[in-house]
Amino acid sequence: DGGITQSPKYLFRKEGQNVTLSCEQNLNHDAMYWYRQDPGQGLRLIYYSQIVNDFQKGDIAEGYSVSREKKESFPLTVTSAQKNPTAFYLCASSIGGGGSRDTQYFGPGTRLTVL
Amino acid sequence: GNSVTQMEGPVTLSEEAFLTINCTYTATGYPSLFWYVQYPGEGLQLLLKATKADDKGSNKGFEATYRKETTSFHLEKGSVQVSDSAVYFCALSDDGANSKLTFGKGITLSVRP
Repeated sequence: DGGITQSPKYLFRKEGQNVTLSCEQNLNHDAMYWYRQDPGQGLRLIYYSQIVNDFQKGDIAEGYSVSREKKESFPLTVTSAQKNPTAFYLCASSIGGGGSRDTQYFGPGTRLTVL
Repeated sequence: GNSVTQMEGPVTLSEEAFLTINCTYTATGYPSLFWYVQYPGEGLQLLLKATKADDKGSNKGFEATYRKETTSFHLEKGSVQVSDSAVYFCALSDDGANSKLTFGKGITLSVRP
């Protein structure tokens, strides 16, 4: 079954700790994305990667970091510099190559709660 | 820059009622338009899309037509079911090199039996 997996589904961390969220896809997609969802605000783009070993900041990259060492994996680290990290985090992937017809498909999400 | 505006929610309907969820957009170039649905506690699922003016996207009884003259992509369904209760997001993808999505704020639909 092809798809996008995110783990864990729920994650709890103490304030001041870094935490890494996993995202894996077996769709052979080149492009991958991380979004943050807060109630009533829709989705906001954190980072995206069009190809292995390359990534760009999205609209709200401060306090986050990513890596793209393998095509199928795009982990997101929420650092202690992120002021308000409690949110629902969604990973997506697409075939890539640019253009408006490229369709993004989403994973099930990870809900991060910082205590 | 690009933007997507959705009607204010939440929306509550009785089963078998007609549904319209409004979506308008601002964009340069030739964007594609999407509707995504999010069921409680889950990620987003692509519901339908349209890639050029006058295209109609359809899926599971839902339809939306890409109207360039009114910059709109309203979602409709003739007869909603309880299982359609979810959050609906309108989004656009620009025609640049990065295919970035811009989302509306989403609207919660509740369908009562």
